[in-house]
Amino acid sequence: GAVVSQHPSWVICKSGTSVKIECRSLDFQATTMFWYRQFPKQSLMLMATSNEGSKATYEQGVEKDKFLINHASLTLSTLTVTSAHPEDSSFYICSAQDRGRHADTQYFGPGTRLTVL
Amino acid sequence: EDKVVQSPLSLVVHEGDTVTLNCSYEVTNFRSLLWYKQEKKAPTFLFMLTSSGIEKKSGRLSSILDKKELFSILNITATQTGDSAVYLCAYGTGGGNKLTFGTGTQLKVEL
Repeated sequence: GAVVSQHPSWVICKSGTSVKIECRSLDFQATTMFWYRQFPKQSLMLMATSNEGSKATYEQGVEKDKFLINHASLTLSTLTVTSAHPEDSSFYICSAQDRGRHADTQYFGPGTRLTVL
Repeated sequence: EDKVVQSPLSLVVHEGDTVTLNCSYEVTNFRSLLWYKQEKKAPTFLFMLTSSGIEKKSGRLSSILDKKELFSILNITATQTGDSAVYLCAYGTGGGNKLTFGTGTQLKVEL
């Protein structure tokens, strides 16, 4: 149980294009999902908290107009990197909170490696 | 300011050794401490600790929390090469549902 999927696993795009990443909880309902970014040899940095049916809460320093988050259902959240630039290249990971378990238990997707040329 | 510090930053051991990884924290409104294992992809959940002195165990891995001294340890006995990974600890607070991660301990287990 508690499986989270992400799509795509990796993506290469040209500078200036937009990229959408999907995060799905496969066998549980997730009222809250989280989006993280991880640079090589660094820890996970929380970008935003996504709540189903409401606007995402962004961490300080994260541009909400650049990283668009939509949480349309209890099993799906999407992150769109708009007008991507090489400095946006990173490993993006989502996690989902199982509403049936302790509030701090997050299950992670396999991540999406984004490379912007 | 809330913070979490892991030590050591990295270590190399031989198969069969026992290792202890440390996680100390200073957190206002602490609620839980979690351990994750990260190999090449995203972290996988190991343990969540909320109470002091109660050991959580899963196979060769175990963990305990000390809320008085503000730290947690993760023990791995009889290490195997498959234990090689980055081990992350994270804390949750009562102010919301987000987790804050430490920088991790890179463990390498050699034959």
